[in-house]
Amino acid sequence: NAGVTQTPKFQVLKTGQSMTLQCAQDMNHNSMYWYRQDPGMGLRLIYYSASEGTTDKGEVPNGYNVSRLNKREFSLRLESAAPSQTSVYFCASSAGTGEHQPQHFGDGTRLSIL
Amino acid sequence: AQSVAQPEDQVNVAEGNPLTVKCTYSVSGNPYLFWYVQYPNRGLQFLLKYITGDNLVKGSYGFEAEFNKSQTSFHLKKPSALVSDSALYFCAVRDETDSWGKLQFGAGTQVVVTP
Repeated sequence: NAGVTQTPKFQVLKTGQSMTLQCAQDMNHNSMYWYRQDPGMGLRLIYYSASEGTTDKGEVPNGYNVSRLNKREFSLRLESAAPSQTSVYFCASSAGTGEHQPQHFGDGTRLSIL
Repeated sequence: AQSVAQPEDQVNVAEGNPLTVKCTYSVSGNPYLFWYVQYPNRGLQFLLKYITGDNLVKGSYGFEAEFNKSQTSFHLKKPSALVSDSALYFCAVRDETDSWGKLQFGAGTQVVVTP
């Protein structure tokens, strides 16, 4: 089972460049999430989509935009990359936003901004 | 606001010995608590959760966790650690009053199990 698939796995950008991180899930989940992971800080929520057609800001949304393209796909866009956005980005999905639903994670995109 | 603390950056244990990873939390209402494990270059994997009921929760790979409301803790335990348990462990909490399910993650605890 593929679960949550993220592309690319690695990327190096120059400051000011733009790029889109792709995420797709094949579990028919309603909710999807984007996190960034930085050493010693755990995971911080960037944006989430509770259901198809809706998106909302998380804890650290500045510098990012998202698109819930359909039920399966949730993309994260950096319009003008900055060195502070160097991080590992994780996409996750869950059946819903209810309390019983654990989140399922992709393997991450390792992004370096020079 | 909800918060999670994992007071130990790293836990070292010999194979076969008991393993404990500590977690304390703060929420406004009742907590929903989760443990996840992350292996190198992989995403987080769900281990177990506490929603309500029995304070001792059993999960994957022989792990269990004990919910203690008075101490606001949710420590992860394994009676006999394996070298393959070496990984990064995250505790996460959700406040029942949070309508859409935002998870607050701790900073993570690196577990090193030596043969």
